[in-house]
Amino acid sequence: DVKVTQSSRYLVKRTGEKVFLECVQDMDHENMFWYRQDPGLGLRLIYFSYDVKMKEKGDIPEGYSVSREKKERFSLILESASTNQTSMYLCASSLYGAPEAFFGQGTRLTVV
Amino acid sequence: QQQVKQSPQSLIVQKGGISIINCAYENTAFDYFPWYQQFPGKGPALLIAIRPDVSEKKEGRFTISFNKSAKQFSLHIMDSQPGDSATYFCAASMRGAQKLVFGQGTRLTINP
Repeated sequence: DVKVTQSSRYLVKRTGEKVFLECVQDMDHENMFWYRQDPGLGLRLIYFSYDVKMKEKGDIPEGYSVSREKKERFSLILESASTNQTSMYLCASSLYGAPEAFFGQGTRLTVV
Repeated sequence: QQQVKQSPQSLIVQKGGISIINCAYENTAFDYFPWYQQFPGKGPALLIAIRPDVSEKKEGRFTISFNKSAKQFSLHIMDSQPGDSATYFCAASMRGAQKLVFGQGTRLTINP
């Protein structure tokens, strides 16, 4: 089974802090994604990466950055956390050219 | 054009009934239409998917109906069970694209 593991299930951070969300996949997938999930808004793509050191902006990249130094690891960075970034964050991976995405269990981030 | 619109936002069905969730899209270049199921505290997982060369796909109690001319597709859950209570997301992808576009999600509750 494909496994996508997010480093934290729950995080509480203060406004202005720099926050790192980590994601690791074990299936040698080329593509990795970060989504944000909010009620009534579905899953919105923040950033995705189709190769090491490659990244593309998704629909809502403002306030976020990403890092992919190794194929299996994709990090989401909140440079200066704000309360409107309180949300569920989901990491996913897929094979290049294959549309099926495999998701991690999510990180619920609360910014206070 | 990249949007997928999903309805209803929430749905309550009695045990044994039929649950129906609808999605509509505009982009005729979409050629892969999956449904994801998400239980509380978990990430979404692929439930069933269809390509536009067929009008219906059935897997157990779950059926996707696809109407290419209307640019709509729907998920039908027959004999709905309390264990089906979850959030369901439709999605779409273009051939060769590396990412999915998700609908807003439907929170389904099956009453015993």
